[in-house]
Amino acid sequence: EPEVTQTPSHQVTQMGQEVILRCVPISNHLYFYWYRQILGQKVEFLVSFYNNEISEKSEIFDDQFSVERPDGSNFTLKIRSTKLEDSAMYFCASSTGLSTQYFGPGTRLTVL
Amino acid sequence: GQQLNQSPQSMFIQEGEDVSMNCTSSSIFNTWLWYKQDPGEGPVLLIALYKAGELTSNGRLTAQFGITRKDSFLNISASIPSDVGIYFCAGRSTQGGSEKLVFGKGMKLTVNP
Repeated sequence: EPEVTQTPSHQVTQMGQEVILRCVPISNHLYFYWYRQILGQKVEFLVSFYNNEISEKSEIFDDQFSVERPDGSNFTLKIRSTKLEDSAMYFCASSTGLSTQYFGPGTRLTVL
Repeated sequence: GQQLNQSPQSMFIQEGEDVSMNCTSSSIFNTWLWYKQDPGEGPVLLIALYKAGELTSNGRLTAQFGITRKDSFLNISASIPSDVGIYFCAGRSTQGGSEKLVFGKGMKLTVNP
């Protein structure tokens, strides 16, 4: 069964450093998303991406965040200058656009 | 912004018992999804609901999309130890063509063997 994959599973970084989180969505999906989950809290929407551009973003997704689909298979989330409060699980999801979004296993980001 | 109220927040049950959980919203959703999350992993889709009144089953799981489009429930029958985890509801609204999912706070289920 096709699935969304994410790398790395755990990323530790120093405050102020740039991080890139990587995702490989399900191959025939056209819509891509990033969500985050702070420890013990609910999953929160960050951004959606379709047709090589951002289609929607939340207030969390400020200028420090960016997304890119550098090739036909990868979808990345970049945080330019990490803050302590960016520590969270980051989930990538993809869909065909029919609303059922399939999530990856997540990347745990720890900012020290 | 849109918010989902999910209840209960946690449940402790004996193996073999049934469990129900629900989500309500002050705004209308046109899709309701139920996910299960194990510790350190991503949400796994359990059931997707697309039409008001829809009742859908997946094995021991049954979920319904409320007639008002503002609520949904999930039932698990004859619970087993591997049902342990956190269950999230998620809704999607087409307001402004939005694709984003709004999640509830989750219900932590503990099943005692």
